[in-house]
Amino acid sequence: DVKVTQSSRYLVKRTGEKVFLECVQDMDHENMFWYRQDPGLGLRLIYFSYDVKMKEKGDIPEGYSVSREKKERFSLILESASTNQTSMYLCASRSPGDNYGYTFGSGTRLTVV
Amino acid sequence: AQRVTQPEKLLSVFKGAPVELKCNYSYSGSPELFWYVQYSRQRLQLLLRHISRESIKGFTADLNKGETSFHLKKPFAQEEDSAMYYCALAIQGAQKLVFGQGTRLTINP
Repeated sequence: DVKVTQSSRYLVKRTGEKVFLECVQDMDHENMFWYRQDPGLGLRLIYFSYDVKMKEKGDIPEGYSVSREKKERFSLILESASTNQTSMYLCASRSPGDNYGYTFGSGTRLTVV
Repeated sequence: AQRVTQPEKLLSVFKGAPVELKCNYSYSGSPELFWYVQYSRQRLQLLLRHISRESIKGFTADLNKGETSFHLKKPFAQEEDSAMYYCALAIQGAQKLVFGQGTRLTINP
């Protein structure tokens, strides 16, 4: 089974802090994604990556950046955390030949105070 | 623009009753649609995909291109079906998934 592991289940950060959310997958998947999940809004794509050192903006990239230096790891960075970034963050990965089945991590619930 | 709409945020039915979770989409290309489910304290997982035309846990979904819908149905609800359900549309050569707002389904005993 593919495993997508997000390093933290819960995080509390202060406004203005730089925040790193880490995601690691163990099945050599090319594609990785960061979504945020908010009640009533569903999942919204922040950034995704087709391969190492490649990244593309999703629907709500403002205030975020990403890093993919190794195939298995995809990091989401909040440059200066704000309270409106309090949310559940979900990482996912897939192989392009996998009939679109995404494997999700268990999520990181981030609270910015 | 691509869009997925789930008109019901909450849906509550009794055990044994039929269930239908609605999903409508907007997409100019050929749609590929999915249902994902998130049970309490579990990660989001794929339930079914329209291309497979399969039945998973008694659920089915038929793509209706005329009505641009992909409703999820089950004839007899079970308590373990209580969960959050998301409809999703694959776009950009299937490199991206666009999700709906989600429907929280509660099955009452």
